[in-house]
Amino acid sequence: DAGVIQSPRHEVTEMGQEVTLRCKPISGHDYLFWYRQTMMRGLELLIYFNNNVPIDDSGMPEDRFSAKMPNASFSTLKIQPSEPRDSAVYFCASSPRGGRDTEAFFGQGTRLTVV
Amino acid sequence: LAKTTQPISMDSYEGQEVNITCSHNNIATNDYITWYQQFPSQGPRFIIQGYKTKVTNEVASLFIPADRKSSTLSLPRVSLSDTAVYYCLVGPGSGNTGKLIFGQGTTLQVKP
Repeated sequence: DAGVIQSPRHEVTEMGQEVTLRCKPISGHDYLFWYRQTMMRGLELLIYFNNNVPIDDSGMPEDRFSAKMPNASFSTLKIQPSEPRDSAVYFCASSPRGGRDTEAFFGQGTRLTVV
Repeated sequence: LAKTTQPISMDSYEGQEVNITCSHNNIATNDYITWYQQFPSQGPRFIIQGYKTKVTNEVASLFIPADRKSSTLSLPRVSLSDTAVYYCLVGPGSGNTGKLIFGQGTTLQVKP
């Protein structure tokens, strides 16, 4: 398996524009996580899915952020409208199961810059 | 979810053994302890996981005392390429919630 695939790797957009980040999890994994990483706040969990269903979105900063998982092989994180403070590296991760003894596999991340 | 506390940073030299300790005083009975490593510009990578006593793999060892209120990640004979941020995670434990929460991590700097 190629691992977790995220696209694009880099995104530069202007304030107010819509941004869509994409993730393809590892085949067969039941859990999918979206994280945001900044120097100030570290690695923050935004939302995670189990079997394509959002389980916990308490980390989503505000209504401008939305995430979907229409099927087991694809997820999107959308920001509309984008703001400069959304600039960060966004990681997607998947794991074969939740619970105690599990390992999450991370993608390479999308570096988002909002100017 | 159990809160973890680990040193913000550590320095070491090539060839030395490095031990990073994580405190997790309110760990639940069925929580596991997991360590991840993150290099610059990459996503975190699983290193090792354990429940009690000692676990060893090709990368590291994990020591967990009987009370499980702390754990120590041991990296034998580090090299410059071990410079990274190391995260200690506890849980998700009860209910198999699947939630993975990362703390601030420990930045390890290995010097020549």
